[in-house]
Amino acid sequence: EAGVAQSPRYKIIEKRQSVAFWCNPISGHATLYWYQQILGQGPKLLIQFQNNGVVDDSQLPKDRFSAERLKGVDSTLKIQPAKLEDSAVYLCASSVEVAGSSYNEQFFGPGTRLTVL
Amino acid sequence: DAKTTQPNSMESNEEEPVHLPCNHSTISGTDYIHWYRQLPSQGPEYVIHGLTSNVNNRMASLAIAEDRKSSTLILHRATLRDAAVYYCILRVLHYGGSQGNLIFGKGTKLSVKP
Repeated sequence: EAGVAQSPRYKIIEKRQSVAFWCNPISGHATLYWYQQILGQGPKLLIQFQNNGVVDDSQLPKDRFSAERLKGVDSTLKIQPAKLEDSAVYLCASSVEVAGSSYNEQFFGPGTRLTVL
Repeated sequence: DAKTTQPNSMESNEEEPVHLPCNHSTISGTDYIHWYRQLPSQGPEYVIHGLTSNVNNRMASLAIAEDRKSSTLILHRATLRDAAVYYCILRVLHYGGSQGNLIFGKGTKLSVKP
């Protein structure tokens, strides 16, 4: 079974530039997540989609970050304009959320490492 | 969401058992204890989870204290590939059936010596 795919793997940009990350979840997974992981910390949830609708975006800095999941499959996370503090690894994860189940394993992609200079 | 406390780092020798502790004194009755680990330069991966009873799977065992205020992830024979950051996470299962999000702390960085 193919895992969660992300691209690019690495990106270096200047501050105030724009950048976009792409994620292709595991086939059949209705739920998709974007996380931000700053060096030395655990991942922090930015946004959660259920199919193509947003379930939780309370931690997304909406003045500069945006995300979409057209057709309920692939997703794109954009930062515009980037700041130095956005340097981090951006992780995408997907899951099959079964109501009433305690399992609901999240499968993570390898991440995109963003460096903002 | 309830919080967990883990040591920042631990060391182990290869082929020896490893016990990774986690304290969660404010755990509620609907919180499940989940463990994920993150190998270097990879995304996190699921290890195991439980509610009250001890759990075993092919990767590890989870021992849960009777009062549920602490738990221990047990790797029975550590290998070099087990060197990773291990996260202990409380994940609520709501009465309506939906499950709470994963909230990661800093985890425990496990080093395995040959």
